[in-house]
Amino acid sequence: QKEVEQDPGPLSVPEGAIVSLNCTYSNSAFQYFMWYRQYSRKGPELLMYTYSSGNKEDGRFTAQVDKSSKYISLFIRDSQPSDSATYLCAMSEQGAQKLVFGQGTRLTINP
Amino acid sequence: GAVVSQHPSRVICKSGTSVKIECRSLDFQATTMFWYRQFPKQSLMLMATSNEGSKATYEQGVEKDKFLINHASLTLSTLTVTSAHPEDSSFYICSASKTGEKLFFGSGTQLSVL
Repeated sequence: QKEVEQDPGPLSVPEGAIVSLNCTYSNSAFQYFMWYRQYSRKGPELLMYTYSSGNKEDGRFTAQVDKSSKYISLFIRDSQPSDSATYLCAMSEQGAQKLVFGQGTRLTINP
Repeated sequence: GAVVSQHPSRVICKSGTSVKIECRSLDFQATTMFWYRQFPKQSLMLMATSNEGSKATYEQGVEKDKFLINHASLTLSTLTVTSAHPEDSSFYICSASKTGEKLFFGSGTQLSVL
């Protein structure tokens, strides 16, 4: 079993839809949870950062962490074609040290 | 967010040659930088942790003699792929943290070994 599980997709939705992306994990010691967006042949871009459990909102993006279920989610509201990318969840026990990444979900927003 | 610059973005080399990739933190000092590797349609795998002024720490299964890491200053880490072979072809990405929490990535280097 992988330490972090993420459905690779691909996921295709129409423009304006609400997108839900999620990851599950097995290591209960993870405290730091992140979502990255990666365009093809580019480095990942940090979207959301959460410490411990709870929700965090930034514009059209909302990140949720449920440590009791070992489950994290990223919601994208009013999705745009420019949101088309691969979304990677990442988590660690110690901040930026030894991040463990999910496989990434390929998302396409259709105009 | 913090800015991490990586160069070159793409390199093609012959089998047996060595290739150097540079990673710079542009607006902050990074005592620690991280090198990742990504194969097509796969996730990022941590290769090594680069520590300024000391030896790098390599993850299990990563050959330290093949992937030489030098962190000579607080803003520069280099990864040298020595005697590259086609199986070393991959996307290499460096990263650094300004505060020890959030990790920011460079733009990546696509290495193709012929």
